[in-house]
Amino acid sequence: AQSVTQPDIHITVSEGASLELRCNYSYGATPYLFWYVQSPGQGLQLLLKYFSGDTLVQGIKGFEAEFKRSQSSFNLRKPSVHWSDAAEYFCAVGNNAGNMLTFGGGTRLMVKP
Amino acid sequence: EPEVTQTPSHQVTQMGQEVILRCVPISNHLYFYWYRQILGQKVEFLVSFYNNEISEKSEIFDDQFSVERPDGSNFTLKIRSTKLEDSAMYFCASSEARGGYNEQFFGPGTRLTVL
Repeated sequence: AQSVTQPDIHITVSEGASLELRCNYSYGATPYLFWYVQSPGQGLQLLLKYFSGDTLVQGIKGFEAEFKRSQSSFNLRKPSVHWSDAAEYFCAVGNNAGNMLTFGGGTRLMVKP
Repeated sequence: EPEVTQTPSHQVTQMGQEVILRCVPISNHLYFYWYRQILGQKVEFLVSFYNNEISEKSEIFDDQFSVERPDGSNFTLKIRSTKLEDSAMYFCASSEARGGYNEQFFGPGTRLTVL
């Protein structure tokens, strides 16, 4: 069965600092990996996705993520965080059939001025 | 930009009552989904729906739950007899096509509170 672990429940960074949010997955085949962001009162918005090719993927809002098969990881990064990035971030893995996303527990990001 | 909408944003009901949560998926999308998130827990898949049939469902999606596309625009989740443990945020999503790489677009959610 597929699963996703986000080890950090809360992270606080200063505005302008770099950010890395961790994600580890378990999936038997080549995974389809996603990062979503949820701002208060909003739905889940896709930041980026990976399913093949270059292991470093670029997303919206200046985010990127790197797929590392050997570590079963798909960590999200941003070189310089903005106050508007404060939100909850979810890593997810999709099954081949495309019917189901399995989410991690989420990481709540707070940004200090 | 097209988006998934959900109504109501918050629903309060008494235990044992039936509730219907409504979603309007993006108009050219063919695949529809329901997820839920109990407070403090993970977002969990409930069901996917295509061509007026359930494609896949989780063990959470028991006989108390049903889904329907009653017309060309709405997609509904019905809970027949709500329990306290059904209190959660329910998210609707839709995608253009099937396949793990296809983005699922999510609505803002309906918060269901069962008293």
